[in-house]
Amino acid sequence: GQQVMQIPQYQHVQEGEDFTTYCNSSTTLSNIQWYKQRPGGHPVFLIQLVKSGEVKKQKRLTFQFGEAKKNSSLHITATQTTDVGTYFCAGYTNAGKSTFGDGTTLTVKP
Amino acid sequence: DGGITQSPKYLFRKEGQNVTLSCEQNLNHDAMYWYRQDPGQGLRLIYYSQIVNDFQKGDIAEGYSVSREKKESFPLTVTSAQKNPTAFYLCASSILTGGLNYGYTFGSGTRLTVV
Repeated sequence: GQQVMQIPQYQHVQEGEDFTTYCNSSTTLSNIQWYKQRPGGHPVFLIQLVKSGEVKKQKRLTFQFGEAKKNSSLHITATQTTDVGTYFCAGYTNAGKSTFGDGTTLTVKP
Repeated sequence: DGGITQSPKYLFRKEGQNVTLSCEQNLNHDAMYWYRQDPGQGLRLIYYSQIVNDFQKGDIAEGYSVSREKKESFPLTVTSAQKNPTAFYLCASSILTGGLNYGYTFGSGTRLTVV
């Protein structure tokens, strides 16, 4: 079945450093979504990418969807302590359901 | 405010006991989902439903059952056949347009512990 691999599993950064998490699917995706889960909380939808090569920005966050629609990345510029949490990608196919990556847990040292 | 309500927040189950987790949404979303999250891991799909009175198994359906009698409600029963039920259970809903999901809205989750 469909697999979505996400790396790295953990990332520790100093406040102000940049952070990137990568997501790779074994199959071509219809779209990909990114979520953030704060410690003790539930996932919250951040963004969806649909088009091949698409790039979207939300303040310090930049999301990319690969040309082959099989990979994606989330980049945070100049991390802040409020960025702490686990970031998940979810790849969606026409089968009607998404497959989540295992997430990247970001810790930020002040 | 619109959203998804899961209850209870914490649930303790004895060995051999069935328990039901509640999930209600007032977003008028077509599709609803149940995910299981274990510590340090991602979300694994248990069951999902795209329309009332119809649902499909996800990747880890064994030991679980669901019903979708109303658009707003999608309860999950964890049966005694589920050998390792201790986990964080998340309910989600989404709009479906042209068969595509445009992002999940999650409830705040139920933490189930076997005692």
